[in-house]
Amino acid sequence: QVQMVQSGAEVKKPGASVKVSCKASGYTFTHYNMHWVRQAPGRGLEWLGVINPSGGGTSYAQKFQGRVTLTRDTATSTVYMELSSLTSEDTAVYYCARDRRGDDLYSWGQGTLVTVSS
Amino acid sequence: DIQMTQSPSSLSASVGDRVTVTCQASQDISNYLNWYQQKPGKAPELLIYDASNLATGVPSRFSGSGSGTDFTFTINSLQPEDFATYYCQQYDDLRPRWTFGQGTKVEVK
Repeated sequence: QVQMVQSGAEVKKPGASVKVSCKASGYTFTHYNMHWVRQAPGRGLEWLGVINPSGGGTSYAQKFQGRVTLTRDTATSTVYMELSSLTSEDTAVYYCARDRRGDDLYSWGQGTLVTVSS
Repeated sequence: DIQMTQSPSSLSASVGDRVTVTCQASQDISNYLNWYQQKPGKAPELLIYDASNLATGVPSRFSGSGSGTDFTFTINSLQPEDFATYYCQQYDDLRPRWTFGQGTKVEVK
């Protein structure tokens, strides 16, 4: 079955970077875009960006331009989200979510908690 | 960028009640609108896609309607397991970008 398994929780200091992985299985990796969404404690869902695993093309939310980088490894069907210059405002659960294709609908990872604290 | 305005931000209801949530887009988005349910500590779960289609396995008490800029999500006969937060999500068919509404928390009255 379709599954996205994300890497484990991270604790980072302000100013550092974090890299979260999302390993996909159960479908053809290169056929579906992968999005990243985050949710700060007690807050709503916020879209960070999307990557096309086939060609590697990306699109980012303006708010995160220059600070977020999405990459992929087609050999391992894994997508990575790297966020730099972390502040306490980046403390959140980060989700990867596979896009739909026709009637083959969305699928979300389990989420990765990133805590930024000095 | 398209903005999504969801209301109310929270509501109190009882089991058996009918619950309605609205979402308004800042410009015409056709029917490119999904609704999600999220429970604490869990990833969002798709309930309604393309404004009015029920996702597989979702009970028929959930429904969605609308097109263009105004959308409605309804739970008929609220069940105990429905107390959660609900989000609308706009997607762009040409540019793969997502925008979420602010969320509506459905609480016990």
